[in-house]
Amino acid sequence: GESVGLHLPTLSVQEGDNSIINCAYSNSASDYFIWYKQESGKGPQFIIDIRSNMDKRQGQRVTVLLNKTVKHLSLQIAATQPGDSAVYFCAETYGGTSYGKLTFGQGTILTVHP
Amino acid sequence: SAVISQKPSRDICQRGTSLTIQCQVDSQVTMMFWYRQQPGQSLTLIATANQGSEATYESGFVIDKFPISRPNLTFSTLTVSNMSPEDSSIYLCSCAPEYGYTFGSGTRLTVV
Repeated sequence: GESVGLHLPTLSVQEGDNSIINCAYSNSASDYFIWYKQESGKGPQFIIDIRSNMDKRQGQRVTVLLNKTVKHLSLQIAATQPGDSAVYFCAETYGGTSYGKLTFGQGTILTVHP
Repeated sequence: SAVISQKPSRDICQRGTSLTIQCQVDSQVTMMFWYRQQPGQSLTLIATANQGSEATYESGFVIDKFPISRPNLTFSTLTVSNMSPEDSSIYLCSCAPEYGYTFGSGTRLTVV
């Protein structure tokens, strides 16, 4: 169910540092995972995805790691820039009757200081 | 990926009234979804908008409060009915899977 009044976890880094954002997912049957970036006043923007048959996937400046044993995802951002400041969400989904439906993690606020 | 347009982008409404949010996708998509994002929180799925049939609602959401239409493969509406301040949230439309899991920019609703 939903919780009211929670504050999102925060991560503050200096420009140029590497950032690591973590996410624990809930469903061991989930087979597809997405990281989203949400800037103020905007909808979630796709960053990178990974399927459950992989444990690592790299994009431009971003890497996603998946540990199915402990149901954990991480997003690594290399050389973090002020434009990376946003809220980051992980999302999971699986097939069957839940095909297409995303379950979101709580989110992390990333602040990058120049 | 698909481009999703939502209208209105924001609104301030009186309690007891209803607001209809429109979602237009630039491509035909199989599945469209509506999510709610309460202030400072994550996204929660409200329902799946099915073309040609009734929407499928998640636990805690009902059709009388959130009626949904899906007249074709590119368009859907969500109505927030008999609004109260607790309905103040961002409402987001999404589509899947042909063009990835894409979101609109959201409708920021404030109920006073």
